[in-house]
Amino acid sequence: AQSVTQLGSHVSVSEGALVLLRCNYSSSVPPYLFWYVQYPNQGLQLLLKYTTGATLVKGINGFEAEFKKSETSFHLTKPSAHMSDAAEYFCAVSDADKLIFGTGTRLQVFP
Amino acid sequence: NAGVTQTPKFRVLKTGQSMTLLCAQDMNHEYMYWYRQDPGMGLRLIHYSVGEGTTAKGEVPDGYNVSRLKKQNFLLGLESAAPSQTSVYFCASSYVGGRAGTEQYFGPGTRLTVT
Repeated sequence: AQSVTQLGSHVSVSEGALVLLRCNYSSSVPPYLFWYVQYPNQGLQLLLKYTTGATLVKGINGFEAEFKKSETSFHLTKPSAHMSDAAEYFCAVSDADKLIFGTGTRLQVFP
Repeated sequence: NAGVTQTPKFRVLKTGQSMTLLCAQDMNHEYMYWYRQDPGMGLRLIHYSVGEGTTAKGEVPDGYNVSRLKKQNFLLGLESAAPSQTSVYFCASSYVGGRAGTEQYFGPGTRLTVT
């Protein structure tokens, strides 16, 4: 069965610093991978996804993620954090008709 | 387009009461999903549907029932609410399922408290 592990339930960075949120997956087939963001009291919205092709995927709000098959990872990065990036981030992997979500990483951004 | 909408936004129930949560989507999506979100546990799939008239169990189906009588609507029912069902419930929809790499679109959520 497919699964995802998000390392670190909380990550804190200073405004302008690099953001790195970690996601490792387990999949018996070539995976489709997703990152979602959830702002307070809202639903989830898609940041980016990897299906096939280029392993570096660019998303909205300056985020990007790199699919590394050898490391079974799909880490999310942003070169310079902004206060508005404070939210919870979820990694997900496809599993037949469903998506399997990680437990989430809450990002705090300090001024 | 309204996307995915959920009704109600908030609800407080007493133990043993019943209620139905309504999810509607206007994107002509085949697949619809109900999740619950609890602190530290991410999103857990309750039930889902791969098309009108179909339903399937997810990871945590006990205590919930669903129906998909119309393609655009997916109802989640609690027949006898329990405090353990206090949670935030999200509905999502997608054009096809996860195996095709399509993303899910989420509603704004329903915050349910069972006392």
